[in-house]
Amino acid sequence: EAAVTQSPRNKVTVTGGNVTLSCRQTNSHNYMYWYRQDTGHGLRLIHYSYGAGNLQIGDVPDGYKATRTTQEDFFLLLELASPSQTSLYFCASSGTGAGNTLYFGEGSRLIVV
Amino acid sequence: GDSVTQTEGQVTVSESKSLIINCTYSTTSIAYPNLFWYVRYPGEGLQLLLKVITAGQKGSSRGFEATYNKETTSFHLQKASVQESDSAVYYCALGEGTNAYKVIFGKGTHLHVLP
Repeated sequence: EAAVTQSPRNKVTVTGGNVTLSCRQTNSHNYMYWYRQDTGHGLRLIHYSYGAGNLQIGDVPDGYKATRTTQEDFFLLLELASPSQTSLYFCASSGTGAGNTLYFGEGSRLIVV
Repeated sequence: GDSVTQTEGQVTVSESKSLIINCTYSTTSIAYPNLFWYVRYPGEGLQLLLKVITAGQKGSSRGFEATYNKETTSFHLQKASVQESDSAVYYCALGEGTNAYKVIFGKGTHLHVLP
């Protein structure tokens, strides 16, 4: 069965702090994504990648960097965290082709105080 | 632009009663959209509930059904008899089949089923 694992599951940091969220997928999928989920909003795409070393900008990229080191691993970096980045973050993966289904991790809840 | 509008906030239904969560979509850039319902159970990530990629077709899973209606641009989620275990957040989504990244989510509907 498809598996996407995120860490940490919960994180509290201070304003200006440095945070890295990690994601690993064992689906052999090419595409990986980082989304944020906030009350009153649907999931919003931050960054995505279609392979190791590739990075594409999503819809809400400001304040975030990302890096895809291998086909399995995709990292989201917040180098100067702000309270506006307090959110629930989801990583997902998908294969290519029509009707792409997203496979999600369990989420990482980040609080910036 | 592209958007998905679904029943907002929380919906409370008693066990064994019927359910409908409304979803309508609008797209200017996707000629043949794929439509999805994802579900997030407490403490878990989102998972696919059902998807339909052809207009006029119906998808079903776990007793839930949704029909892709291109005329009314709707994809309402229905269930005839809900169970307490159906309590979760449901997301309607619109995607483009050829571009894997392009998926637009609704804001989510929190279903609370009373025992």
